[in-house]
Amino acid sequence: DGGITQSPKYLFRKEGQNVTLSCEQNLNHDAMYWYRQDPGQGLRLIYYSQIVNDFQKGDIAEGYSVSREKKESFPLTVTSAQKNPTAFYLCASSRAQTGLNYGYTFGSGTRLTVV
Amino acid sequence: DQQVKQNSPSLSVQEGRISILNCDYTNSMFDYFLWYKKYPAEGPTFLISISSIKDKNEDGRFTVFLNKSAKHLSLHIVPSQPGDSAVYFCAALPNRDDKIIFGKGTRLHILP
Repeated sequence: DGGITQSPKYLFRKEGQNVTLSCEQNLNHDAMYWYRQDPGQGLRLIYYSQIVNDFQKGDIAEGYSVSREKKESFPLTVTSAQKNPTAFYLCASSRAQTGLNYGYTFGSGTRLTVV
Repeated sequence: DQQVKQNSPSLSVQEGRISILNCDYTNSMFDYFLWYKKYPAEGPTFLISISSIKDKNEDGRFTVFLNKSAKHLSLHIVPSQPGDSAVYFCAALPNRDDKIIFGKGTRLHILP
């Protein structure tokens, strides 16, 4: 079964440490996205990538970094520069824009807590 | 500035009644509109969509209505069931742009 996998489900980080969240998809989707969900804030776009070896900043990219070395993988690093990293992080993927396909498939999320 | 607005953070509806979730948007060039459903600690799942050339799309208990002149869409769930309790995100896909724009969500509580 094709899908998108985020790991780990729960992650704890000490202040001042970097941490990397994993996102892998086997849907053969070209585009991948990282969102952050906070109470009352909805889904806010952190970074997105429409093709391998290329990515763009979303609305709240500060304190985050990504890489897209493989089509299947889009890891997100939360750096110590991110002021409020505690949140629920969602990864999503989609086929490239064709005018016919318009949905995202989401992973099950990673809950990051800074302790 | 929000392009997709869900002005009701929460909504409570009696089981068996109709749930109506509303969404407003500002960009008349949006090509598709989508609704996603999200349970706590899970990723959103696609529920239903509508193209900007239509005014209604129905899928079982779920119907989405689009009023382009008012830049307004709504999701109707009838009859409402306990499993419908979740956060519902309204979203829009701009023409020729791959990034979906999400609203802030409405939490729906179905009361027994």
